[in-house]
This record gives sequence, structure tokens and C-alpha cells, in this order.
Amino acid sequence: AQSVTQLDSHVSVSEGTPVLLRCNYSSSYSPSLFWYVQHPNKGLQLLLKYTSAATLVKGINGFEAEFKKSETSFHLTKPSAHMSDAAEYFCVVPTGGGNKLTFGTGTQLKVEL
Amino acid sequence: NAGVTQTPKFRILKIGQSMTLQCAQDMNHNYMYWYRQDPGMGLKLIYYSVGAGITDKGEVPNGYNVSRSTTEDFPLRLELAAPSQTSVYFCASSYKNTGELFFGEGSRLTVL
Repeated sequence: AQSVTQLDSHVSVSEGTPVLLRCNYSSSYSPSLFWYVQHPNKGLQLLLKYTSAATLVKGINGFEAEFKKSETSFHLTKPSAHMSDAAEYFCVVPTGGGNKLTFGTGTQLKVEL
Repeated sequence: NAGVTQTPKFRILKIGQSMTLQCAQDMNHNYMYWYRQDPGMGLKLIYYSVGAGITDKGEVPNGYNVSRSTTEDFPLRLELAAPSQTSVYFCASSYKNTGELFFGEGSRLTVL
């Protein structure tokens, strides 16, 4: 069965510095993968998705992620953090029919001045 | 365009009470879902529906029931509330099997 592991529960960066949120996946084949973002007291929103068309995926708000099959990773990056990026980020993989998704445990991103 | 609307946003229940969390979407999506979110645990799927009249269990369905009589509405019923059901509940919908879900803003439930 497909699953994802988010390697950091909390990440803290300074505004203007790069962001790296790590996600490893477990699958017997190249799966679809997603990153969702949840701002405080809000619902989740799709940030970007990988569906095998291109290994480097660009999302909203300057985020991007690279699918690396050799490392079974799908890390989320952003060159320069902004205060508004403070949120919880979830790596997600489809599991089974009916568009069911399995969520990672989340990474809380803190952005400091 | 309201998207996915959940009510109530907050509720406190006593052990053994019953309640229904309401969810409505105005995007004509076929697929709808209920998730619960607990700290450090990510989101767990409770129930989902692929269309009116069709529902199925997710990962953590015990203690909950759902119905889908219309495309727009997907209520979640708690029959005998237990402290273990204290959580934030999210309803979501999607048009088809794309992995892109649209979420409501959540309903925070506390069972005392």
C-alpha cells in the first residue's frame, strides 16, 4: 500500500531564507503525490501535485517539489520564505479507489523575522 | 461561490449525546468526504461518497454514520458521543478522481 512519511514535524526558518519540507513515499510504482497547505483555523488547500508528467512540479505561492524516484522523495521547497507561508503542510498520496487520499502527519512551518 | 460549507464551526457535547455535522457544496462535485484531524496524526478518512445514494467506509468509521441523499449534502452523524471523538472534522469534495479536494473550514467538536 502507498504511504508517505514526513520527516520533520516542525521546521523554523527566517523570513527570506529557503524552505525545505521533506517527504518520503513508499510505493511499488511511481505514484501520484500531492502537497496540501493548511493555514491556521482554515481548511486544507492543494499546493501542488505530481502526476508523472514532469518530475519538477511548480505550485502556488512560489512553492515547488521534485519527484525523485531513486530516493523515493517528494520534498517541498521555496527559495525565499515569507511570513504568510507559516502554516502546516501535508504530503499526500492516493490510496485506493474513490479518490481516497492518505495524509502524512504534517510539518508545521514557522517563519521568523 | 461558497465552495464547501460546514456547520457548526464549534460544538461541545456531553458523553452519550448525538449530533449531526452538516456539509454542503455548491460545485456539483460527485465525490464527498469526511476527515477527522487530530494533533500530530494528519487527517484520517471517516466516510466517503462517490455520488448520491452511495457511501462507503474509510479508515476510521466506527461511531459515525453518513447519508448522501443529494449531490450537494453529506451530513455526518455521531450517535453516542465519546471523548475519543473530540477532534476537528473536515468535509471535502472533488469533481472526479484527480486528487484535488476542496475543503471546508472545519468543525471543532469537544466531547466532555
